Amino acid sequence: NAGVTQTPKFRVLKTGQSMTLLCAQDMNHEYMYWYRQDPGMGLRLIHYSVGEGTTAKGEVPDGYNVSRLKKQNFLLGLESAAPSQTSVYFCASSNEGLAGGPEFFGPGTRLTVL
Amino acid sequence: TQLLEQSPQFLSIQEGENLTVYCNSSSVFSSLQWYRQEPGEGPVLLVTVVTGGEVKKLKRLTFQFGDARKDSSLHITAAQPGDTGLYLCAASGTSYGKLTFGQGTILTVHP
Repeated sequence: NAGVTQTPKFRVLKTGQSMTLLCAQDMNHEYMYWYRQDPGMGLRLIHYSVGEGTTAKGEVPDGYNVSRLKKQNFLLGLESAAPSQTSVYFCASSNEGLAGGPEFFGPGTRLTVL
Repeated sequence: TQLLEQSPQFLSIQEGENLTVYCNSSSVFSSLQWYRQEPGEGPVLLVTVVTGGEVKKLKRLTFQFGDARKDSSLHITAAQPGDTGLYLCAASGTSYGKLTFGQGTILTVHP
């Protein structure tokens, strides 16, 4: 089992550029999440999914879009990157709902927007 | 928005000492999780507590959920350098998708 994997690990963008972060899990988990982690702000939920084909907004969804076309993959897109989106992005998955919290996190993607 | 306050923010101790980290809120939670995160890696789930007054033990770590389900504590006995890391609490209320994380406690255990 690879668990939760994320690609890429690092990325530098210029303001206005777009990119997609890919998250994959091989544990057959129903629930998947995207978080961002900023110094002094802790982890904040961007979007989440309760199953294939479904997505929902979290705490800080503006400027991001997501898709869950396959159960094992959860994509996070930035259509027009802004410096405020400089952060470390974590994907997570779990077999239970958010009452149980995300069980497994990926290693993170460090994104810098210039 | 439910807020989780963790204290202390920073903790630097010597190997063998005991320590307690606190996670407090004015809101009632349905469950609370504790995670540990090492630099450059994602958080790792340590425990989930769901019942008021619940106590769970994981080797030298003891987790407690307050009777009123508004607070929690993590106690480490005889800390070791391998315990060094960022400890995060996270809690969910009644609204789906509203898991809130505390800001974390950075623990450094010196040999």
